[in-house]
Amino acid sequence: DIVMTQSPDSLAVSLGERATINCKSSQSVLYSSNNKNYLAWYQQKPGLPPKLLIYWASTRESGVPDRFSGSESGTDFTLTISSLQAEDVAVYYCQQYYSYPITFGQGTRLEIK
Amino acid sequence: EVQLVESGGNLVQPGGSLRLSCAGSGFVFGSHWMSWVRQAPGKGLEWVANIKHDGSEKYYVDSVRGRFIISRDNVKKSLYLQMNSLGAEDTAVYYCARRSGGNSGYFASWGQGTLVTVSS
Repeated sequence: DIVMTQSPDSLAVSLGERATINCKSSQSVLYSSNNKNYLAWYQQKPGLPPKLLIYWASTRESGVPDRFSGSESGTDFTLTISSLQAEDVAVYYCQQYYSYPITFGQGTRLEIK
Repeated sequence: EVQLVESGGNLVQPGGSLRLSCAGSGFVFGSHWMSWVRQAPGKGLEWVANIKHDGSEKYYVDSVRGRFIISRDNVKKSLYLQMNSLGAEDTAVYYCARRSGGNSGYFASWGQGTLVTVSS
């Protein structure tokens, strides 16, 4: 199984500042045939289902504000919120869909400092 | 607008069974892989099962294989999860999700979830 490890477990950032969440996969999730990383990011607010933010590691889902961005370097992936807004308080999860079983990171709780 | 509405969650005794349903609308249900993802109280997300658009392929996480069965009825635009031999570790909110992308897939649309509690 591919293990997804997020860091940090929790993060406090001031409004308007940058927030960075990391995710590392235990093996490559890069599919050589299309040169795509099979990695997604979700945001989950209390009492609500997860919301897809990013797929293919860096493609923003329709309707997601452009302050959210994804990047990759080998088996290391990053979700960046360029200027934190109050409504961004949530738990964030990465997920690999390269192979079965589908696996998620343990989650990163983002709060306002 | 894509809508997924789960039902069937309940309190069930250990060793019991339960069947969850998910009604889809706002998209061509029979053209999409579908999934179940669960979340234990206060915990992270765990993928449970995927089913191909025509039901010909099914995949399960190891912890439920042999106990849970995913199925679908494209005429009724519904997804199901038959859960047998339930244990406390199966207590969770169960989400129905529409799979997108390739390989095992990511989840672009989610239902609101239905709570399954396994307890005596």
